[in-house]
Amino acid sequence: GENVEQHPSTLSVQEGDSAVIKCTYSDSASNYFPWYKQELGKRPQLIIDIRSNVGEKKDQRIAVTLNKTAKHFSLHITETQPEDSAVYFCGSSGTYKYIFGTGTRLKVLA
Amino acid sequence: DGGITQSPKYLFRKEGQNVTLSCEQNLNHDAMYWYRQDPGQGLRLIYYSQIVNDFQKGDIAEGYSVSREKKESFPLTVTSAQKNPTAFYLCASTIQGADTEAFFGQGTRLTVV
Repeated sequence: GENVEQHPSTLSVQEGDSAVIKCTYSDSASNYFPWYKQELGKRPQLIIDIRSNVGEKKDQRIAVTLNKTAKHFSLHITETQPEDSAVYFCGSSGTYKYIFGTGTRLKVLA
Repeated sequence: DGGITQSPKYLFRKEGQNVTLSCEQNLNHDAMYWYRQDPGQGLRLIYYSQIVNDFQKGDIAEGYSVSREKKESFPLTVTSAQKNPTAFYLCASTIQGADTEAFFGQGTRLTVV
């Protein structure tokens, strides 16, 4: 069946450095790729998304890139801050099914 | 105040008992989803529904059941057939289809005692 693989499972970076999280999807019909941030004890919230007809999207310190041929997409966070510490999930969806990766726990060290 | 609400926040169940988790949304969203969250395993899809009176199994539907009698409600029943039900359960909704932002409830933590 369809699945999304996400790496790494944990990531520690120094404050101010960049963080990159990568995902690979299996369903060729997928056309929407969101990224969610989940802080401890809170619900996941969308931070950025990209559709299959776009290769890159940026929103301030956050960017997502998509390589549809290789079926992978990545989240890039620049100039990381302590408040970026959280669990990040990538998602993949086609017409109806909405599935997520296994999550990356990001720790930004002050 | 629009949103998606799950209740209760914490739930305890004795082994062998069925339990129902509530999920209500007033966003007028067509699609609703249930996920199970375990440490290190991300969000796994249990069931999803695109329209009233219709729903499909996700990747880990065994031991669970759902209904979608109203657009705003999508309750999940964890049956005694679910061998390892202790987990954090998240409900989500999207406007239509799966190619838009999903809004999540605050989750229900179920513990089997």
